[in-house]
This record gives sequence, structure tokens and C-alpha cells, in this order.
Amino acid sequence: GENVEQHPSTLSVQEGDSAVIKCTYSDSASNYFPWYKQELGKGPQLIIDIRSNVGEKKDQRIAVTLNKTAKHFSLHITETQPEDSAVYFCAAPYSGYSTLTFGKGTMLLVSP
Amino acid sequence: DVKVTQSSRYLVKRTGEKVFLECVQDMDHENMFWYRQDPGLGLRLIYFSYDVKMKEKGDIPEGYSVSREKKERFSLILESASTNQTSMYLCASSYSGTGAYTGELFFGEGSRLTVL
Repeated sequence: GENVEQHPSTLSVQEGDSAVIKCTYSDSASNYFPWYKQELGKGPQLIIDIRSNVGEKKDQRIAVTLNKTAKHFSLHITETQPEDSAVYFCAAPYSGYSTLTFGKGTMLLVSP
Repeated sequence: DVKVTQSSRYLVKRTGEKVFLECVQDMDHENMFWYRQDPGLGLRLIYFSYDVKMKEKGDIPEGYSVSREKKERFSLILESASTNQTSMYLCASSYSGTGAYTGELFFGEGSRLTVL
């Protein structure tokens, strides 16, 4: 099945800096790559996703890039704010089923 | 808004007890899922279901079973709880779509289970 590797496991930045989280996947047939954000005490929530027919997608301060040749995709957060502090998960389709395999998560801490 | 409700936020059980974790969604989603979340291991899929009375094993089904008698409800059952099942359990649901569509997963807030 699909294997998703996520790095780094923790990331500390100063408010206003940029943050980048990277993921690699194993199944070249995968065509959908979402990112979820989990705030303390809550379930993960989708923040952005990208399908394999595009290389980049932006939504205000967040963006996702995809390199299908290298089988990796990244989350970029610009002008970070303390409320961006959370655990972020990347994911890819689970072996042809309508569910997801998740990376192990990145804890992002944004210091004021 | 889609709402996925997990009946218990915190549970404490003893080794060997039978444990039921209940999940209800209100958006008529076909798909429902149970994940387990542990520090350093991320989210791991236990079981999922595409329809009433249907179930599929995920990556870590051992020690668990599921039940889906109604479309809106998906239950996770620990037949005989063990200490290594102490964890956060997350339920999710999604719209089925068509073909190989992979839609957004909507998660509940989680059930933290401690087995003593």
C-alpha cells in the first residue's frame, strides 16, 4: 500500500517567518494530496489539497507544491502567526480506496 | 456544517473489558473510518466502511472489530481491552463520490481511551 514519509517531526519558527513541511509518497498512481491541521483537543481538519494535474496551489498564506517525478509534495506557510501552531499531517490515497494514508505529523510552534 | 460526534471524549477501562466507541455523522456520508492516533506514529487506519453492514480492514485491525447497522453510525469495538490499546481514537466520515474519488475526511474530536 501507499507509504507516506513526513519531515520534520517538529518545527519551531518565529512569528512572521515561513515554514515548510515536506512529504514523500511511494505509489506513483496516487493523484490526490491533502494537508490537515490538528489544533489541540480537536480532530484534524483539511486546510488545502492538490490533485496531480497541477504543480502548485495557493490559498492566502498557505500553498502546496507537488513534484510527481520525485514523488514529493510540500506545505508552505508564509508570515506565520501564533494561531498557526498545531500539528500538520500530509496524506495520500490509501491503495485505491476512498480513504487516506497519513504521514506521522509535524508539530509546528510559532513563537511571538 | 458537517458534524461527526464521538460519544465519549474520555474513557478509563480495565484490562479485559469490552469497550464500545460510538460515532455518529449527520451529513449522510457513505464512508466512515476509525483511526488511531499515537505520538510519533501519526494516524493509523483501523477499519473503514463504505456502506451499511460493510467493513474493510485497515493497517492495524488486530484486537478491534466494527459495526455499521445504520448509515450514520459506526462503532469500534475492543473485545478485550489491553494496555497497548491506550490511545486517542478518531472517527471520520466522507462523501463517496464516484470512481476513484477521494473526498475530504471530516473528523470527530476524538475519544481518549486509557486501559489500566
